[in-house]
Amino acid sequence: DGGITQSPKYLFRKEGQNVTLSCEQNLNHDAMYWYRQDPGQGLRLIYYSQIVNDFQKGDIAEGYSVSREKKESFPLTVTSAQKNPTAFYLCASSIDSGISYNEQFFGPGTRLTVL
Amino acid sequence: AQSVTQLDSQVPVFEEAPVELRCNYSSSVSVYLFWYVQYPNQGLQLLLKYLSGSTLVKGINGFEAEFNKSQTSFHLRKPSVHISDTAEYFCAVILSGGSYIPTFGRGTSLIVHP
Repeated sequence: DGGITQSPKYLFRKEGQNVTLSCEQNLNHDAMYWYRQDPGQGLRLIYYSQIVNDFQKGDIAEGYSVSREKKESFPLTVTSAQKNPTAFYLCASSIDSGISYNEQFFGPGTRLTVL
Repeated sequence: AQSVTQLDSQVPVFEEAPVELRCNYSSSVSVYLFWYVQYPNQGLQLLLKYLSGSTLVKGINGFEAEFNKSQTSFHLRKPSVHISDTAEYFCAVILSGGSYIPTFGRGTSLIVHP
């Protein structure tokens, strides 16, 4: 079955540590995205990537980093510089970044808690 | 820049009652409109979308939405809800000819009571 997988589902981190969230898709989608979700705030875009080896900052990129070395993979690193990292993180992908009307497909999410 | 307003943060309703979740957007150009549903601790999944054509769009699980250009609205409706419809619902907008990145509303929590 095609889809998007995120791992781990739950992640606990101590303050000052970097952590990496995994996102893999086998849908052959060009574009991939990372969102942060906090209660009552909807989805906020962290980073997105249209093609391999290229990515752009979203609205709240500070304290985060990404890489896109393979089409199917878009890992997100939450660095110690992120002041309030506890949140639910969602990865998404879409078919073709050059066509504006394609819906996004979402992974199941990773819940990160900083202890 | 476009914005999306979901007027109700929470909508409680009894099972088998009708429901309407409201979504308004601000844009001076044509838009593409989407409704997504998120069940607890899961990702979002597409309910329905409006790209062009008929303003009444039917989606999965018995939901439908109507695009009203003059009122810049895209309200989601279901004539009879089930307990299993309890979830968070997000409206999203993409500008035609602009960035392909959607703008999401803040979400509406639908709570269906028995």
